[in-house]
Amino acid sequence: SQQGEEDPQALSIQEGENATMNCSYKTSINNLQWYRQNSGRGLVHLILIRSNEREKHSGRLRVTLDTSKKSSSLLITASRAADTASYFCATDQSLNRDDKIIFGKGTRLHILP
Amino acid sequence: NAGVMQNPRHLVRRRGQEARLRCSPMKGHSHVYWYRQLPEEGLKFMVYLQKENIIDESGMPKERFSAEFPKEGPSILRIQQVVRGDSAAYFCASSPEPPPYSYEQYFGPGTRLTVT
Repeated sequence: SQQGEEDPQALSIQEGENATMNCSYKTSINNLQWYRQNSGRGLVHLILIRSNEREKHSGRLRVTLDTSKKSSSLLITASRAADTASYFCATDQSLNRDDKIIFGKGTRLHILP
Repeated sequence: NAGVMQNPRHLVRRRGQEARLRCSPMKGHSHVYWYRQLPEEGLKFMVYLQKENIIDESGMPKERFSAEFPKEGPSILRIQQVVRGDSAAYFCASSPEPPPYSYEQYFGPGTRLTVT
């Protein structure tokens, strides 16, 4: 099965800096989603970007999508300690008549005080 | 509106026992997804259910695993004769509509199964 693959696997930055995480995928998609998972908690949906969109903003989050390169990036600006979590990208397979959502392995983000 | 609820949060079973994981979707949601997260890996889809129907179980192991979502009550993921390799976090998600009408899935806190 195809998966989104996040890069890097782990990232540590100073509080206040911007954090950028990337996701690559292999098949055509209908949309791509980013999720956050705090330690010991369930996944929280952050943002969804459709295949005909190139950029989307939500608060301190900015997501870009390049369907020609089959990649997406998640930018968190002015990071805070509370942003420490794992971030997953997820791609749907609807275009392939397969309504599953496929997750990558995640990027573990650690915000240093 | 309470979120997706899963119980128990932690479950310890000995090899050969049965594990039952419960998921109560958000109010008004009739679509439930189960995912498994092995250590150091991403979430992997297991099964998609609507009330009283299994829509897609292509991610379920062929043996020992079953899922249901009855007309009344929570969705149940059942693992019979558990083995150590079943140790993982199991997440349930619910959605108000199926794709392509809704792509947002609301996740529960997960059940962490440990097989000893």
